[in-house]
Amino acid sequence: KQEVTQIPAALSVPEGENLVLNCSFTDSAIYNLQWFRQDPGKGLTSLLLIQSSQREQTSGRLNASLDKSSGRSTLYIAASQPGDSATYLCAVDDYKLSFGAGTTVTVRA
Amino acid sequence: GAVVSQHPSRVICKSGTSVKIECRSLDFQATTMFWYRQFPKKSLMLMATSNEGSKATYEQGVEKDKFLINHASLTLSTLTVTSAHPEDSSFYICSYQKREGNNEQFFGPGTRLTVL
Repeated sequence: KQEVTQIPAALSVPEGENLVLNCSFTDSAIYNLQWFRQDPGKGLTSLLLIQSSQREQTSGRLNASLDKSSGRSTLYIAASQPGDSATYLCAVDDYKLSFGAGTTVTVRA
Repeated sequence: GAVVSQHPSRVICKSGTSVKIECRSLDFQATTMFWYRQFPKKSLMLMATSNEGSKATYEQGVEKDKFLINHASLTLSTLTVTSAHPEDSSFYICSYQKREGNNEQFFGPGTRLTVL
């Protein structure tokens, strides 16, 4: 059974600081890994999807890396802004999505 | 990306009643759809998977007679919570997977169910 862990559970940083969010998974036989953003009481917004054959994906200030062999992914958010405050979820697809519990980020103005 | 809608966004009902939640893909046809539930401050838990033209496959611990899933068409799926009880109160989210592509799932905005 796939287990997905996200560390830290919560993070508070001043505006402008770079964010580093970690995700680890136990079974490396995956199709892809996705990072999502969830605002309170809302659904999921897909941020980045990394295929199992890829090492990283970038979109604007976001960069996600994937090391399948070690079962790790990292989401970097450069120059954080208050609008980046949300919960970030990673999900691993190995025929179904298994989600981590998320990292709740607060960016202080 | 792809657009997925859910209706209603929020529903409050009395214990013992049934509630139907609709999930629609607005701009693509989906072979596979998923229903998740999320408890406060917890992650999403997969409830069931359904493929076009076949019955839903439920995850362990999910009662199929309580959570009825109808994958009516390639663009519409419904989840009916039958005889709802307060412990069914949760955030329910659907997602669709496209016919072609990289297995990416596209999520609806979610439905907040509160059972009194």
